[in-house]
Amino acid sequence: EAGVTQFPSHSVIEKGQTVTLRCDPISGHDNLYWYRRVMGKEIKFLLHFVKESKQDESGMPNNRFLAERTGGTYSTLKVQPAELEDSGVYFCASSLHYAEAFFGQGTRLTVV
Amino acid sequence: EDQVTQSPEALRLQEGESSSLNCSYTVSGLRGLFWYRQDPGKGPEFLFTLYSAGEEKEKERLKATLTKKESFLHITAPKPEDSATYLCAVHLSTGPQGGKLIFGQGTELSVKP
Repeated sequence: EAGVTQFPSHSVIEKGQTVTLRCDPISGHDNLYWYRRVMGKEIKFLLHFVKESKQDESGMPNNRFLAERTGGTYSTLKVQPAELEDSGVYFCASSLHYAEAFFGQGTRLTVV
Repeated sequence: EDQVTQSPEALRLQEGESSSLNCSYTVSGLRGLFWYRQDPGKGPEFLFTLYSAGEEKEKERLKATLTKKESFLHITAPKPEDSATYLCAVHLSTGPQGGKLIFGQGTELSVKP
């Protein structure tokens, strides 16, 4: 069974540019989460989808971040325009109901 | 404020030297406590879920326990391949269908042969 897959694994962009991260969850998992780890800090929650609906987006830093989940399958997280403080590792996770969340390998974003 | 604190931040052991990692938490609406292992450049890998005080779970050389305020991850006779960052996270309820993980900063474990 395929795990959670994230694309790209690394991205380096200039300040002010736009970047889109993609996450393919485990098939059949209705719950999809985005998390972020910035340098030296703990992993922090960004938002939670149940199927195609945003259940909780309380962790989104500001309106430069936009997450979507098409048809309850894959999800994208767009940062527009990117700022230096957006650098970090973005993780996607998926789960069945309230069971354990399985994480992808992460996308390392560097804004220069 | 919901908070998860892990100690120590880093731990160096000799192969075969048993020890414990601590995760203390102050949260409301706890739905479960999770332990993950993370290797460099990879995402967190699920190890255990604990739901109630007194619960214990084991996997190979690892054993996780839970009280009302903290959890321990006991490592018995560790091997070099156990070297990794161990993450503790509490699962909080945010509504009928909502839930999120609050992570600690992790304990970086190094096991030398």
